[in-house]
Amino acid sequence: AQKVTQAQTEISVVEKEDVTLDCVYETRDTTYYLFWYKQPPSGELVFLIRRNSFDEQNEISGRYSWNFQKSTSSFNFTITASQVVDSAVYFCALSETGANSKLTFGKGITLSVRP
Amino acid sequence: NAGVTQTPKFRILKIGQSMTLQCTQDMNHNYMYWYRQDPGMGLKLIYYSVGAGITDKGEVPNGYNVSRSTTEDFPLRLELAAPSQTSVYFCASTPGYGYTFGSGTRLTVV
Repeated sequence: AQKVTQAQTEISVVEKEDVTLDCVYETRDTTYYLFWYKQPPSGELVFLIRRNSFDEQNEISGRYSWNFQKSTSSFNFTITASQVVDSAVYFCALSETGANSKLTFGKGITLSVRP
Repeated sequence: NAGVTQTPKFRILKIGQSMTLQCTQDMNHNYMYWYRQDPGMGLKLIYYSVGAGITDKGEVPNGYNVSRSTTEDFPLRLELAAPSQTSVYFCASTPGYGYTFGSGTRLTVV
């Protein structure tokens, strides 16, 4: 069975600080997808990134970057120079390839960025 | 494209009442899912469907039923509402690689 662990539950930083959100996953599949979603106070789920298990390249998108390490089954997310608008709940999720493509979510990390 | 549409957005139910949460997608996706989100617990899969006429249980199916008579629609039925079903419900669909979520239904059972 697949499992996603987000050990951090709440993080509070001051604006302009860098912050890293940790994600550790478990799966028996060799082919899978990893995701990060943002849930702002308004409640919708905002897609941030999808990573294929065969692609271990780190990715940067503006102030966001992701570090995927298969050796440690981790897919960590870093926000550089955090802003108040980054305050949200962040979910890491895993999908195994196959007929049902179910997403398994971690419990989420509540990030508060203070001005 | 409307994407995934969920109705209603908010609902208050009394214990023992029943209701149907509607979910419609216009992207011709085969796979559809219902999740519930409880504070601090992430999203848990209730039911899913891999195509019209095919449904299966997820992690937390008790107290719910689903049907999938068309590719577009995937309604979630609560027969006898209980306070434990107070939650935010999300519907999602995918063609197999990228997921589209609805905006959610906030349900309170009192």
